[in-house]
Amino acid sequence: EAGVAQSPRYKIIEKRQSVAFWCNPISGHATLYWYQQILGQGPKLLIQFQNNGVVDDSQLPKDRFSAERLKGVDSTLKIQPAKLEDSAVYLCASSTRQGLGEQYFGPGTRLTVT
Amino acid sequence: AQTVTQSQPEMSVQEAETVTLSCTYDTSENNYYLFWYKQPPSRQMILVIRQEAYKQQNATENRFSVNFQKAAKSFSLKISDSQLGDTAMYFCAFMNLGAGNTPLVFGKGTRLSVIA
Repeated sequence: EAGVAQSPRYKIIEKRQSVAFWCNPISGHATLYWYQQILGQGPKLLIQFQNNGVVDDSQLPKDRFSAERLKGVDSTLKIQPAKLEDSAVYLCASSTRQGLGEQYFGPGTRLTVT
Repeated sequence: AQTVTQSQPEMSVQEAETVTLSCTYDTSENNYYLFWYKQPPSRQMILVIRQEAYKQQNATENRFSVNFQKAAKSFSLKISDSQLGDTAMYFCAFMNLGAGNTPLVFGKGTRLSVIA
């Protein structure tokens, strides 16, 4: 079974520019998560989708971050405009089996904002 | 809100030795899962072991085992016969068993180095 795919793996942009990240979850996984992992810290949830609906976006800085999951499969996370503090690894994860836990993570995208 | 605390930023162990990583958590929930994830330099987060809070028996997976103390809200990971490939960041994580899937709450991680 193919794992969670993410692209790009690395991105360097200047502050105030925009950037987009893409995630393709494991086939059949209804739940998709975007986490932000700042250097030296554990991942923190940005947004959770169930199929194509948003379940939790309480930690998403909505003035600059947006995410969508059209057709309940692939997802895109966008930052516009980027700030220096957005430098982090952005992890996508997916899961199935309602309430039983295991999340499968992609390799992440490392964003550097200069 | 749940919190997860890992008090050991870095640890090292000699190859073939045993090491224990500590984790404490705070929650008012009664039904939850606890996890240990491994994140090697490649950044791919890999599940090491999972513990259901309602189970009294500690989970084991080959060389990995946990010591789950529900009353103390403690969840430590023991790695036996450490191997060079165990070198990675280890994250303790909490998941509330609400209605449907819920996100993971992670600790800050422990960087483990296995020394030959």
